Amino acid sequence: QSALTQPASVSGSPGQSITISCTGTSSDIGRYNYVSWYQQHPGKAPKLLIYEVFSRPSGVSNRFSGSKSGNTASLTISGLQADDESDYYCSSYASSGTFFGGGTKLTVL
Amino acid sequence: QVQLQESGPGLVKPSETLSLTCTVSGGSISSDSSYWSWIRQPAGKGLEWIGRIYTSGGTFYKTSLKSRLTMSIDTSKNQLSLKLSSVIAADTAVYYCARGMVHAIDAFDVWGRGSLVTVSS
Repeated sequence: QSALTQPASVSGSPGQSITISCTGTSSDIGRYNYVSWYQQHPGKAPKLLIYEVFSRPSGVSNRFSGSKSGNTASLTISGLQADDESDYYCSSYASSGTFFGGGTKLTVL
Repeated sequence: QVQLQESGPGLVKPSETLSLTCTVSGGSISSDSSYWSWIRQPAGKGLEWIGRIYTSGGTFYKTSLKSRLTMSIDTSKNQLSLKLSSVIAADTAVYYCARGMVHAIDAFDVWGRGSLVTVSS
């Protein structure tokens, strides 16, 4: 089983919305609703943004939302802010373990 | 508030064993979650899940690392440990321990700050 596929980079202007995709297979994203999203600033540990496809942990802004269709999950960030500039990773449960995406660098223009 | 702190040698020679400890503070390792994971990240690269250990002591390892990996849990010390044998340069990474979120599947809501391990002679 391989890592999940994410675009290497996305960009957007302050106030805009962006979506990051995460493509897996019928063995991971397509089979289970156990997709998580993490934000990682340089030199810092990842921070959980979304779990179980669309749920947000307490304290995470509702500007972050998750969804899934078939083998692809998506993270949408609305009302982009400068501090959203970061790396974002998806992950999915599979019977053979947990798999992360390669990461997407978000640039806020 | 639960906090995690990884510790261990920052430099390991090729073919030797990498050993890391994760100390849980502000909570109980046996009651604050049902499972804990180790995740690593080579410099400039993405995250790689290594394996998980349940508070019962059961383990589940990444298939490609299974033959070299040992995870354990010491509830009396509130610590997790990771041992990776026969290390090679490709094992050089920042190693994180992370808590499996309560009442959620396969989500990590608390992370340590990470411990950089370099494999080099």
